[in-house]
Amino acid sequence: GQSLEQPSEVTAVEGAIVQINCTYQTSGFYGLSWYQQHDGGAPTFLSYNALDGLEETGRFSSFLSRSDSYGYLLLQELQMKDSASYFCAVNRGSTLGRLYFGRGTQLTVWP
Amino acid sequence: DAGVTQSPTHLIKTRGQQVTLRCSPKSGHDTVSWYQQALGQGPQFIFQYYEEEERQRGNFPDRFSGHQFPNYSSELNVNALLLGDSALYLCASSTPGTSGGNEQFFGPGTRLTVL
Repeated sequence: GQSLEQPSEVTAVEGAIVQINCTYQTSGFYGLSWYQQHDGGAPTFLSYNALDGLEETGRFSSFLSRSDSYGYLLLQELQMKDSASYFCAVNRGSTLGRLYFGRGTQLTVWP
Repeated sequence: DAGVTQSPTHLIKTRGQQVTLRCSPKSGHDTVSWYQQALGQGPQFIFQYYEEEERQRGNFPDRFSGHQFPNYSSELNVNALLLGDSALYLCASSTPGTSGGNEQFFGPGTRLTVL
């Protein structure tokens, strides 16, 4: 089996920095992905870490520590449009991508 | 370039009925995965199709079945519907060459309500 833990809710103000943590327990780990989902919308891919370290994509960064079974998503210079649910997902299926999602973190950004 | 499309958008069925959901992957993608997302939960992996075969399957009963066509489009079939099958059904496409299949592109989903 597998389990992923992430906070259910996070709030912050515009311009701030937020870190969303994700811890996982799984067999057959190939990497950790992050997805964003606005209410009523489809999940959209943000980042993927297969190796330990930090991946940076614009205002978003993602970190992975395989030895600690831990990762985080860092959102900088928060904007109102960043209010959404953020999911970490473990890939257990090698190159074809078999994703197991956490329950999601609801981020609310206040003006 | 069209993204992932799904039909229908919404569907209402009664217990015991059968339903078929359809998905067309993003152009250039050959792998289709199906997910079930209950309200307030993360997407749950149902199964994945590649080269017209089911390659991987999550923890879902045999009532859930699927198919992939030569043009890579896919169908999800659910038989003997239960109230608990009410959810958003998401289709995602990818190709092994894209971040190892981890960058999956999701469609808008089909909202299934079982009464």
